[in-house]
Amino acid sequence: QKEVEQNSGPLSVPEGAIASLNCTYSDRGSQSFFWYRQYSGKSPELIMSIYSNGDKEDGRFTAQLNKASQYVSLLIRDSQPSDSATYLCAVNRGTGFQKLVFGTGTRLLVSP
Amino acid sequence: SAVISQKPSRDICQRGTSLTIQCQVDSQVTMMFWYRQQPGQSLTLIATANQGSEATYESGFVIDKFPISRPNLTFSTLTVSNMSPEDSSIYLCSVLLAGGTTDTQYFGPGTRLTVL
Repeated sequence: QKEVEQNSGPLSVPEGAIASLNCTYSDRGSQSFFWYRQYSGKSPELIMSIYSNGDKEDGRFTAQLNKASQYVSLLIRDSQPSDSATYLCAVNRGTGFQKLVFGTGTRLLVSP
Repeated sequence: SAVISQKPSRDICQRGTSLTIQCQVDSQVTMMFWYRQQPGQSLTLIATANQGSEATYESGFVIDKFPISRPNLTFSTLTVSNMSPEDSSIYLCSVLLAGGTTDTQYFGPGTRLTVL
């Protein structure tokens, strides 16, 4: 079992729809969780971070965390073609320091 | 966030040679990391670059193959030694910045390495 699992996709959604990206992790001791967006040929850029159960909203993005189910998700509302990218889920499995483990990423395609 | 630069941005190298990648950040940071992203794969942590002491390597990565220097709080280098085509990858440095509720890693632009 991989430490961080994501569906590789591609996830195809029409412009204006909600894109839902999911991630599960295996280490129950994980404390903080991150979503990075990576455009082809570019480095990852941080979209959201979350460390408490529940929802965290930032503009069109909402991160959801359920530690009991070991599940993190990212919702993108009003999806735009410019959102087309690979979304990487990262989990901090460090204790007292940061050590990120990345999922393989979900490729999102938003069609006009 | 921070401004992070890497040199070179890309290189094509012959097998058996070595390449040193530089990472520079515009502010002092405690923790810097080096990652590898092989074609079509996600990011794998190579090591944590510690200022003033030896780097901490992850399982599967060794100092002889990937020596790392961290002479100060704004700069680090990663050397890929005795390269083979399997080392063809994107190498990324990242820095850890303190946030309000959680510390966060920010990535440099990466170095795309091709080994022939």
